[in-house]
Formats: sequence, C-alpha cells, structure tokens
Amino acid sequence: AQSVTQLGSHVSVSEGALVLLRCNYSSSVPPYLFWYVQYPNQGLQLLLKYTTGATLVKGINGFEAEFKKSETSFHLTKPSAHMSDAAEYFCAVIRSGGSYIPTFGRGTSLIVHP
Amino acid sequence: NAGVTQTPKFRILKIGQSMTLQCTQDMNHNYMYWYRQDPGMGLKLIYYSVGAGITDKGEVPNGYNVSRSTTEDFPLRLELAAPSQTSVYFCASSYGGVDEQFFGPGTRLTVL
Repeated sequence: AQSVTQLGSHVSVSEGALVLLRCNYSSSVPPYLFWYVQYPNQGLQLLLKYTTGATLVKGINGFEAEFKKSETSFHLTKPSAHMSDAAEYFCAVIRSGGSYIPTFGRGTSLIVHP
Repeated sequence: NAGVTQTPKFRILKIGQSMTLQCTQDMNHNYMYWYRQDPGMGLKLIYYSVGAGITDKGEVPNGYNVSRSTTEDFPLRLELAAPSQTSVYFCASSYGGVDEQFFGPGTRLTVL
C-alpha cells in the first residue's frame, strides 16, 4: 500500500519569501513522485516529477523538489514566492511495479501576502 | 490539441436521477482516470482504464460505472444520484501508468 501526507492544509508566506510545502510518502518499493498545482476553478497541472536518477528535480515556475529516500520525503520549494503562486498544491505517489494507481495527498493551499 | 475535455461544466441533479459525465482526450493516451475532489480531501480515484475495453475500480467506485469503447472516450455514469455524490469530478489521461497526467477542467455536480 502507498500513502501520501502533506503537512499543513494551508501555508501562508509573504511575497519574496521562501516557499516550503512538505510531502511525506510511504511505499514499500521505490516510488514515482509528482507535484501538481491547481489554480482556482481549473484542473491540475504537473509542476515536476521524480522517477529515477538525480534526486533534485527542477520544475516549472522556479519550483524544485528533492527526493530523500531516508526521510521518505519529497518537499517542494521555491526561493522567492510570487503572488501568482497562490494555488492548491498536491503531492502524488505511484508505486513502481504495481498497478500504477496514483495516490494523492490532501493538498496544501499556498497563500501569498503582498 | 484540445487535450482533455469534459462536459458538462456544471450540473444540478435531483436525488435518484442519472447522468453521464463525458470525457474525451485527443493525445492518444492509453491510461484514463476519473477522480472526485472534495474540499480538504484531495483527489479520490473512482475508476481507471489502461486501454480501450479495459477498466478497473479505484478507491471509491460505488455508485458509478464506466466504459471505454474507444481510446479517446471515457464516460462516467452516475446511477441513482445521491447527495454524497455532490463533488467536482476530474477526468485525466496519461500515456503510460507512471507518466504525467493531463487533467480536464472538471465538472461541478450538485445533487439536491
């Protein structure tokens, strides 16, 4: 079985501040990990994904995430928040070698203050 | 490419009514998925398909049915609508099982 925990349903930052959104997963086998973003009244869009290889993954809009196997984490960061980053962010995991059914976290709403 | 399209965008149903949510993708993707999204609960997988003619249950399939007669289309059928089915429904597709999923714009369904 696999599961995803996103710590904090809401994260509030000031414009220009560091963004850190936390994601921890459980999987008995090496996982595929994803971060998606959802803007109001839209579907989800891929920010970045980890499959194999380099553990630091760069995505769109200046976001990046680091796969840390020992900590079972895949936290999302951005050095400087922009007002346009305000959205809902979802972490997802797919277990390799399985039925490829994705499991999503409950989401973290990022609020950016001017 | 239009990507993943869903119709309708909004719908209000009465308890006991039935309806079909339409989903079409033009990317020749093998995998297609139906999710429901409820506030604070993330996305829950209802059904998925790995190719035409093949469908399987996800985490919350009760009250729903699907079919996949073509690669492009993956309709979701609600029989005997209940208030618990009030939600936003998203269709998604991907080329392979571990690839990026492309999402449609969603259907907001209210059952009264």
